[in-house]
Amino acid sequence: QITLKESGPTLVKPTQTLTLTCTFSGFSLSTIAEGVAWIRQPPGKALEWLALIYWNDDKAYTPSLKSRLTIAKDTSKNRVVLTMTNLDPVDTATYYCAHFTRDASGWSSGHDYWGQGTLVSVSS
Amino acid sequence: SYELTQPPSVSVSPGQTATITCSGDELSNQYSYWYQQKPGQAPLLLIYKDVQRASGIPERFSASSSGTTVTLTISGVQAEDEADYYCQSTDNSATSVVFGGGTKLTVL
Repeated sequence: QITLKESGPTLVKPTQTLTLTCTFSGFSLSTIAEGVAWIRQPPGKALEWLALIYWNDDKAYTPSLKSRLTIAKDTSKNRVVLTMTNLDPVDTATYYCAHFTRDASGWSSGHDYWGQGTLVSVSS
Repeated sequence: SYELTQPPSVSVSPGQTATITCSGDELSNQYSYWYQQKPGQAPLLLIYKDVQRASGIPERFSASSSGTTVTLTISGVQAEDEADYYCQSTDNSATSVVFGGGTKLTVL
């Protein structure tokens, strides 16, 4: 059974750096085709995809935030870490991590398992 | 940047059929995915690769694709289907993922 759980600070000051950790079980990021993505959702607003990392360490970022985001994996600890720099109040959101796989043709299976999300507020 | 467009809201009576559209320039050559999100919960994958139902999803949920528009259809809508629905796809490089703005389904 696949489970994911996000952890990190609940309150961050503007201009600070946010570090979020996704701890998962039921799969390994050393296994071909596995991946983890980060998605956020400001209160009352739509989902916004942020970044993903594949088993082979390939990464992708949403273009609008690419300069502020870093995603990395720790395969031995079954963790994926997302770092976001220069936080602003508009970054207040629930941050989710989600599992996906990629088929032999390179297409995603969709984000089939999600963590419960963690609410991060940015305020001075 | 690439965008997916959904209607903000759709209303339907119980037992009727709800259709939610999603349009985007790259949908004719990139797969689409659909998620349901109820208040206070994480999204739930409904449909993957345009028309495939995810594991455990009732048959009343189906999807179709035509050109640059994809459609989620919920047949025999039930009160429990009231939720926000999001489409998702990728840009033409197939690397950057994007979500639509979401559609709130109200069951009257």
